[in-house]
This record gives sequence, C-alpha cells and structure tokens, in this order.
Amino acid sequence: DGGITQSPKYLFRKEGQNVTLSCEQNLNHDAMYWYRQDPGQGLRLIYYSQIVNDFQKGDIAEGYSVSREKKESFPLTVTSAQKNPTAFYLCASSPGYGYTFGSGTRLTVV
Amino acid sequence: AQSVTQLGSHVSVSEGALVLLRCNYSSSVPPYLFWYVQYPNQGLQLLLKYTSAATLVKGINGFEAEFKKSETSFHLTKPSAHMSDAAEYFCAVSEYNFNKFYFGSGTKLNVKP
Repeated sequence: DGGITQSPKYLFRKEGQNVTLSCEQNLNHDAMYWYRQDPGQGLRLIYYSQIVNDFQKGDIAEGYSVSREKKESFPLTVTSAQKNPTAFYLCASSPGYGYTFGSGTRLTVV
Repeated sequence: AQSVTQLGSHVSVSEGALVLLRCNYSSSVPPYLFWYVQYPNQGLQLLLKYTSAATLVKGINGFEAEFKKSETSFHLTKPSAHMSDAAEYFCAVSEYNFNKFYFGSGTKLNVKP
C-alpha cells in the first residue's frame, strides 16, 4: 500500500546533539512538508519542498535543516541550534490537492 | 497571509448528541478548506475538504461541514456523536495552489458515555 513512513516513532536526544528524522513516501508525490506540533499550538510549518533538490523555509525553520535528493525522501535534521526541540514532528506529502500525513516522530531532549 | 481560528480548544458532548466544531478563516481570495482528525500519537487523517464546489461537504464517519463565505466559516458537524469520535480536530486552509496549508490550533473532542 502507498503511504508515508516516518521513523523512528520515538527518539531521544541529548542536549547539543544533532538528530535526523526520516520521512519516506511511495505515493509519487512531488511536494513534501515537515510540521512541528506542540500542545495547543496546532501545526507549524518548518520546511517544504516542491521538487527534488529544492526546498523553502517555513515559518519556524531556525535550528532545522533538510535535504531533498530523491523524490521519495525528505529527511529533517534537528540541530543543536534548535533551543526547544522536544515536540511531535509530522511529515506530509501532496500531489497538489491535499496532504497525506505520516504517523509522526516524537522527539524528546534528555 | 492566511489564518485559521478554531473556537474552543476543548469540546465535550454526550454520546448521541450533536457535534459542532467551529472554524473561521481569513482569506482575501477564495480558499480551499479542510478538516483533519488526529488520534493520540498518530498523524492527521483527512475528514473532508471544500474546493469551491458544493458548499455543504460530506466527509467520512458521518461528518459534514458547510462553507459560508459571508461568515468566513467552515464549521464541522455530526448529528450524533460516537465514543470513537473522541480525538483532536484541525481545520486548515490552503492557498489556491495548495502549496502551503495553514492550520488552526485544534479542538479536542471528548465524548461522554
């Protein structure tokens, strides 16, 4: 079945470490997105990519980086510059008329 | 820029009662509007979407929403709540090219037996 796979489901990071969240889709969608979700704040856009080898900053890109080397993959790196990284991270893809979401990765800084 | 306001961060209804979740948007152009549902520690699942066709949109699980341009609203309703409807619901608006979605802050629905 087609879909979006996010891994791992739970991730723990020590302060000062970079960590990479995986997002893979087999839906042949051109566009992919990363959102951060915090309680009571809805979803906030971190980065998005509409085509391979191109991506744009969203509303809260500071402390994050992405790459889009393949159509199927859009990994997100949470760097040590992100001061409050503990959150639920959601990846989504779109063929141009609506989103399909992954099941999310919960990142906790310990 | 687009924005979405969901009135009420928590809504509680009895099983069998009407569900009404409110969503208002701000947009200078005709928007596309969506409702998503999220169960704990899961991604978002599309309930329904409005893309400038019929103003009354029917979705999955018995939910529907009505687009009212004069009120800039897109409220979600269900005639009879079920225990399995307990979840968090998000309203979203997108620009005409669907490149970016803007989400409301979410409404948690509690269904009492």
